This record gives sequence, C-alpha cells and structure tokens, in this order.
Amino acid sequence: SAVISQKPSRDICQRGTSLTIQCQVDSQVTMMFWYRQQPGQSLTLIATANQGSEATYESGFVIDKFPISRPNLTFSTLTVSNMSPEDSSIYLCSVFPTGGFYGYTFGSGTRLTVV
Amino acid sequence: ELKVEQNPLFLSMQEGKNYTIYCNYSTTSDRLYWYRQDPGKSLESLFVLLSNGAVKQEGRLMASLDTKARLSTLHITAAVHDLSATYFCGGSQGNLIFGKGTKLSVKP
Repeated sequence: SAVISQKPSRDICQRGTSLTIQCQVDSQVTMMFWYRQQPGQSLTLIATANQGSEATYESGFVIDKFPISRPNLTFSTLTVSNMSPEDSSIYLCSVFPTGGFYGYTFGSGTRLTVV
Repeated sequence: ELKVEQNPLFLSMQEGKNYTIYCNYSTTSDRLYWYRQDPGKSLESLFVLLSNGAVKQEGRLMASLDTKARLSTLHITAAVHDLSATYFCGGSQGNLIFGKGTKLSVKP
C-alpha cells in the first residue's frame, strides 16, 4: 500500500494566521483527500484534491478557508486560513492507491492547536 | 448522499467476552471499510469488504457485509485489553464517508 508523509505533525498557531499542511505520497495516486477530525469526533471529509484542477469541496467547507493545491500525482497541500480556535483539530491526508485492494491509506495527521 | 451510522458509540467490555459493532449505511456503497484508531494516532485499515456476504477475519476480529440490508458488522471474540481503541466503519462512493466511531474499552 502507499506510504504517506504528512508535515507538520503538530503546530500551535496564533489566531488570524494560516498554516499549510503538506502530504507526500511514495507513488502516484489518482485520488487524494483531506479530512478533519475534531477532538473526540469522527473524520469529516473536507475536499477531494484534484490534480490539475480545483479541489472538490464538501458541504460546509469553502476554498477561501481551506485552499488546496495538487500540482502532481504524489503531492498535495491544505492551507487552513485565518485560523480561529474552532479550527483546532487533526487534519489528515488520505489516498486511494491504484487497485485499492487495501483501501484508503491515511497519513499520520497534523494536530493543530489555535490559540 | 451516503450516510453511515454506527452503534454503539461507546462500548465497555470485559476481557474474554464477545460483542458486535453494527454499521448501517443509507445507500449503495462501492465497498465497506473498517478502521482502527488508537489515541493520538492515525487510522489503521482492518478490513475491506467488497461484496454481499463477504466475511473477513483477523485474529479476534471478524467483519461481515450484507449489502441487501446495507449492514456491516464487526464481531469481537474473547476481547483482550489490546483491542481497546476507536473503531470506524466507512462507505464509499468515490470518497470515503465515516460513521461516528465506536470507542471500545476492554477491562480486565
């Protein structure tokens, strides 16, 4: 299965600032996703990162707040913009490798605290 | 729109006992997934269920899928403390949608 490197693993940020999270995969993958996991909650899909085109956002998430880049088939970034304490969550990158026998693979996550 | 419901949300078990976690989904799903998450960790894939009647087993965990009932189950046999974690089921229609998770605590 694919191996994902996600950075940073954690960060503490001031409100009003932005943080960019990187997701690097060791093989080319067609499908790449970003999730948010609020404390004690399940995972909520933010968007599907599309290579060469704009990301597809789920209801409740907008591009101005969570801009996503996907310059190639192995890399994506998620930016959390103009942060507030409500953005404190774990953000996870996920991919569906070609063939997908092992299902969706997840990065180790970025634990974000906004103060 | 695919929706996934899991129950129970919290489960406290004694070691050696058996129990089942249920996962219902609202509409057709390509596949059904089970994941485990330990505190402070990412998700670990447990099972991928592809078709009606699929049954997979790994150690003390067994997952099954009934596509007609839109139901998957995760059965725990003779629970041990190491199984304490949060278990998520998920359905997919191109992207993966999760249930709320079941927080399992196995006590001696």
